[in-house]
Amino acid sequence: AQSVTQPDIHITVSEGASLELRCNYSYGATPYLFWYVQSPGQGLQLLLKYFSGDTLVQGIKGFEAEFKRSQSSFNLRKPSVHWSDAAEYFCAVGPARSNYQLIWGAGTKLIIKP
Amino acid sequence: EPEVTQTPSHQVTQMGQEVILRCVPISNHLYFYWYRQILGQKVEFLVSFYNNEISEKSEIFDDQFSVERPDGSNFTLKIRSTKLEDSAMYFCASSEGVSGTDTQYFGPGTRLTVL
Repeated sequence: AQSVTQPDIHITVSEGASLELRCNYSYGATPYLFWYVQSPGQGLQLLLKYFSGDTLVQGIKGFEAEFKRSQSSFNLRKPSVHWSDAAEYFCAVGPARSNYQLIWGAGTKLIIKP
Repeated sequence: EPEVTQTPSHQVTQMGQEVILRCVPISNHLYFYWYRQILGQKVEFLVSFYNNEISEKSEIFDDQFSVERPDGSNFTLKIRSTKLEDSAMYFCASSEGVSGTDTQYFGPGTRLTVL
């Protein structure tokens, strides 16, 4: 069955510290991979996406993610977090042929300590 | 920057009532979607819409649900007779195309509360 797992429900990091949010997927074909962020009261904003090519992708707001096929993972990273990064982060996968429907992880809530 | 808008931001209704959630997709986009997120649960796909017809729908999207593009700008989701379990955040999204490389842009959501 197709699924996306984000094993951490909450993560707390200090402002200025590095961040890694985990995402593992189970997908029969070559997936397209996405990270979205949802700030309080806001919609879902695309941070970055991976389709093919370089397995390290750069996104907005200083985020990057690395696709590791052997581990079925697509972890999101940021070298130094800011208080404004506090939000919920969602990993999603979509079929290569179309993105008629995205399959979503449960989300990881990021809390920033001052 | 163009964005997807949704109204209202919060809707409270009585069980059994009809609700219509409204969305204005990005103007040059051709594909439209509805997702929902029950509190504390994953985002779930409901339906996709193209060329004035449903392209794909999930098992959640039963006969109580319908979508429509009544004019050139709005995209609506109607729930005919709401149930308590319909309480959720409903997200509208749109994309230029439907290939995997086409990004879906999401609106801020409508929080539906069914009492």
